[in-house]
Amino acid sequence: EPEVTQTPSHQVTQMGQEVILRCVPISNHLYFYWYRQILGQKVEFLVSFYNNEISEKSEIFDDQFSVERPDGSNFTLKIRSTKLEDSAMYFCASNRPTNEKLFFGSGTQLSVL
Amino acid sequence: RKEVEQDPGPFNVPEGATVAFNCTYSNSASQSFFWYRQDCRKEPKLLMSVYSSGNEDGRFTAQLNRASQYISLLIRDSKLSDSATYLCVVADNYGQNFVFGPGTRLSVLP
Repeated sequence: EPEVTQTPSHQVTQMGQEVILRCVPISNHLYFYWYRQILGQKVEFLVSFYNNEISEKSEIFDDQFSVERPDGSNFTLKIRSTKLEDSAMYFCASNRPTNEKLFFGSGTQLSVL
Repeated sequence: RKEVEQDPGPFNVPEGATVAFNCTYSNSASQSFFWYRQDCRKEPKLLMSVYSSGNEDGRFTAQLNRASQYISLLIRDSKLSDSATYLCVVADNYGQNFVFGPGTRLSVLP
């Protein structure tokens, strides 16, 4: 079965550093998403992406965050200057239109020290 | 974004028990409904979609009441392997804006 892949599985960084989280969505999917989950809390929406542009973003997705689809397969989330509170599991997801279920990657655990 | 609420849990039940989870959503324009399962520190995985007429998949039964904006999940004959957090997920008409509930944790005890 096709799957969403994410790298790295773990990322440790110093506060103030930039990180890039990488995702390869399922190849025939058109909508891409980033979610995050702080330990013990709920899954929170960050951003959705369609047709090479952001279609929706949450209040969490401030100017420190950006997304990019640099080629036909990768979908990246960049955090420009990490804060301690950015420590979380970051999940990438994709789906086809419309009303299709989300497929998740296995996540990147980001730890900001 | 609109909210999804779930039973706070945790639910601790013996093997073989029947357990029911409840979920309510606030966005009346929601069109797609799902139950996901999440194991500790893993990604959410789709358990089942929820259809207006209700649907069943083995030991799992999902119900939807659009008028009350309420979704339920029933697990019969609980197994140890059912221990996980169950997430209620609601999406809008365009199938893009997925909103997750906080989850209800289930522990099935031997």
